[in-house]
Amino acid sequence: DAKTTQPPSMDCAEGRAANLPCNHSTISGNEYVYWYRQIHSQGPQYIIHGLKNNETNEMASLIITEDRKSSTLILPHATLRDTAVYYCIVRFVYTGRRALTFGSGTRLQVQP
Amino acid sequence: GAVVSQHPSWVICKSGTSVKIECRSLDFQATTMFWYRQFPKQSLMLMATSNEGSKATYEQGVEKDKFLINHASLTLSTLTVTSAHPEDSSFYICSAPGLAGGPEGNIQYFGAGTRLSVL
Repeated sequence: DAKTTQPPSMDCAEGRAANLPCNHSTISGNEYVYWYRQIHSQGPQYIIHGLKNNETNEMASLIITEDRKSSTLILPHATLRDTAVYYCIVRFVYTGRRALTFGSGTRLQVQP
Repeated sequence: GAVVSQHPSWVICKSGTSVKIECRSLDFQATTMFWYRQFPKQSLMLMATSNEGSKATYEQGVEKDKFLINHASLTLSTLTVTSAHPEDSSFYICSAPGLAGGPEGNIQYFGAGTRLSVL
């Protein structure tokens, strides 16, 4: 699975969009980008995933650059409850079930 | 969506005692579950993979005799920390992958975690 690089921390004002970047310059053509988040003292939560097209669901939007070397997770209207560590994970689609490998993620602090 | 229930959420025990943590998939079957450990200010580290009906596989450096894993049914995996010591104090989290194939197969559902404090 490709290595990812994320800023260690970011701040965002409540009600504003939070844009969390992830660099994955060594991504291969059939690796997907997944985002999870972990609110303090809870288990991680899946947010969204994509291959090359932009994706949107009820939680967030995922923008993947055309060369796929980086992506941005967008929380359109951040709330205090979005304060969490966000993990960007790039991985193949495996035939078997394999555990996720978590990096250090980005700690997003939403400010009131 | 799929729900994974983990119990207890918090446990305090004396050094030398054993603690059992349960992880249940509530609305789906999980032939595989994963156990992670997380120390303060650190990321999740995989401890072991729990396989229904067979032995668990442990990551390098994780003592299999200390962290006993049992996956006796398609919805339940247990982690027992035997002879716990203060250095075992940590946040333990389980997860189960959904049954979907393709890229959705990489979506995992996590329990809420168990905070273990060994005195």
